[in-house]
Amino acid sequence: QSVLTQPPSVSGAPGQRVTISCTGSSSNIGAGYDVHWYQQLPGTAPKLLIYGNSNRPSGVPDRFSGSKSGTSASLAISGLQAEDEADYYCQSYDSSLSGYVFGTGTKVTVL
Amino acid sequence: QITLKESGPTLVKPTQTLTLTCTFSGFSLSTSGVGVGWIRQPPGKALEWLALIYWDDDKRYSPSLKSRLTITKDTSKNQVVLTMTNMDPVDTATYYCAHAAYGSGSYYSDYWGQGTLVTVSS
Repeated sequence: QSVLTQPPSVSGAPGQRVTISCTGSSSNIGAGYDVHWYQQLPGTAPKLLIYGNSNRPSGVPDRFSGSKSGTSASLAISGLQAEDEADYYCQSYDSSLSGYVFGTGTKVTVL
Repeated sequence: QITLKESGPTLVKPTQTLTLTCTFSGFSLSTSGVGVGWIRQPPGKALEWLALIYWDDDKRYSPSLKSRLTITKDTSKNQVVLTMTNMDPVDTATYYCAHAAYGSGSYYSDYWGQGTLVTVSS
């Protein structure tokens, strides 16, 4: 099982704001390692959404934002759109595992 | 333009060894700070990080799979190879390779291959 825990699902109406949490521990997020976020649309490969806790790669809308505090991180999607319906994963490094770990994943549904 | 593509068998038998090749273009694995990683995803399940090889040939493996995994690189061919021994039906998954960039203290995967589905069945 993953060491990064996310809610299985979140939902919201178009235009609303939703947030996805990523809860870790003192050996990963709490140790200061950065958190990255990926979006996976149905049937496609994951796409980098946020890197270094809060940085957006070129081309990613500013509706997506990331933050980190203590042993947790969050991804916020504002102005929710139908095209945002996808699975979202957080990722970080874990010093006790000496490797990278993904979160459990969150399915976002646009009502 | 960075691209990656996975290749290998689509079907393997239990106990066999899986060999997957990631062929990439648009970057060199001899460039400082660059890495290539492997990630898999069982049908309907979450992503699982497997291994990462760095430009200096340093390697990292998932602890739970470390005894079964080997990652190597051929810089001249722009390829990274992942081998996984003693395959089991639970290893059925889509296997992705990805370019790993270093920034803000850790690596992240900014370019991904399309993935290849590997089924383990007799």
